[in-house]
Amino acid sequence: DGGITQSPKYLFRKEGQNVTLSCEQNLNHDAMYWYRQDPGQGLRLIYYSQIVNDFQKGDIAEGYSVSREKKESFPLTVTSAQKNPTAFYLCASSIGTGRHYEQYFGPGTRLTVT
Amino acid sequence: SQELEQSPQSLIVQEGKNLTINCTSSKTLYGLYWYKQKYGEGLIFLMMLQKGGEEKSHEKITAKLDEKKQQSSLHITASQPSHAGIYLCGADNTGNQFYFGTGTSLTVIP
Repeated sequence: DGGITQSPKYLFRKEGQNVTLSCEQNLNHDAMYWYRQDPGQGLRLIYYSQIVNDFQKGDIAEGYSVSREKKESFPLTVTSAQKNPTAFYLCASSIGTGRHYEQYFGPGTRLTVT
Repeated sequence: SQELEQSPQSLIVQEGKNLTINCTSSKTLYGLYWYKQKYGEGLIFLMMLQKGGEEKSHEKITAKLDEKKQQSSLHITASQPSHAGIYLCGADNTGNQFYFGTGTSLTVIP
């Protein structure tokens, strides 16, 4: 079955530590995205990638980093510079970017930093 | 950036009742997506509307796009407990970035 996987489902880290969230897709989609979801704020775009070896900052990229070395993988690193890292993180992919392509979402990773 | 405002923020209905969720954009809408989310899970794609006046239905859920009003509505007929969740609208008018509304939380009481 094609889809997007995110691991782990729940992640706990101590403040000051970097942590990497995994996102893998086997849909052969060119574009991939990372969103952060907080209560009452909807989804906010962190980073997106339209093609391998290329990515762009979204609205809240500070304190995060990404890589896109393979078409199927788009890991997100939450660095110690991110002031409020505790959130629900969602990865998505689409065939292309733009209004004609719906995004498919993974199950999400809930990160708790204490 | 585009802002999408959803109303109401939350909705509690008795099973069998009809309901409507609205999504209003701060900019011209050229297309709009509706997603559903169970708490703590990913988003499930429901429908995509691309033309003004367009209306789509899937089972008991109907969505319409009114470009002049910069608004879309999602209507559920004869609600069931399985309809419960968070409904989010999304739009992309920049060609690259997707924006989502803050969501409408729906509770259906059996």
